[in-house]
Amino acid sequence: ETGVTQTPRHLVMGMTNKKSLKCEQHLGHNAMYWYKQSAKKPLELMFVYNFKEQTENNSVPSRFSPECPNSSHLFLHLHTLQPEDSALYLCASSQAGQGSGYTFGSGTRLTVV
Amino acid sequence: GESVGLHLPTLSVQEGDNSIINCAYSNSASDYFIWYKQESGKGPQFIIDIRSNMDKRQGQRVTVLLNKTVKHLSLQIAATQPGDSAVYFCAENMSEDSGGSNYKLTFGKGTLLTVNP
Repeated sequence: ETGVTQTPRHLVMGMTNKKSLKCEQHLGHNAMYWYKQSAKKPLELMFVYNFKEQTENNSVPSRFSPECPNSSHLFLHLHTLQPEDSALYLCASSQAGQGSGYTFGSGTRLTVV
Repeated sequence: GESVGLHLPTLSVQEGDNSIINCAYSNSASDYFIWYKQESGKGPQFIIDIRSNMDKRQGQRVTVLLNKTVKHLSLQIAATQPGDSAVYFCAENMSEDSGGSNYKLTFGKGTLLTVNP
């Protein structure tokens, strides 16, 4: 394990479903991130939380709703998704302010049918 | 366009050979660079990093070279093994404010390294 745990690993959902992705970090970091990874595209930053406060929303559609109840947990709530939202969703954490790299989880492979 | 890019989308090498993966960046204010490895079905894993006050850093079988003059970053893997087969990403990290309290990581598309036995 990398210290960042994501669940579930795989998720298949219909376009009318509501589901949530969970991320937990055990590294004592104070910043957490959601990234979307689609085939043949760079990693796309979706949301950034520093000290539980959302500091960035990278023009993400409202059908994606993040939640950060504390510095160790991050959720991504999903509702009325589209097939093009199928991708690998990666959570990462870092120690903001130290110019350090991110530690990633293994991701949730999401398929929207 | 994106500020971090890779010269080759794929690289195929023979086991035991050395591999070199290249990356160009466009933001001269970037002060920290990282290489990640992503194996199939896994998230990106940190390999090695380098700060802008250095031009070379070595790890176990890996070396990162930074040429700030031409804004170029490379990852060298010595004696490449089948387990090195993966997608390799470079990333640049630039402080968004003068106090350095808000860093943001920008990733390139990645290079697929295939090691042939």
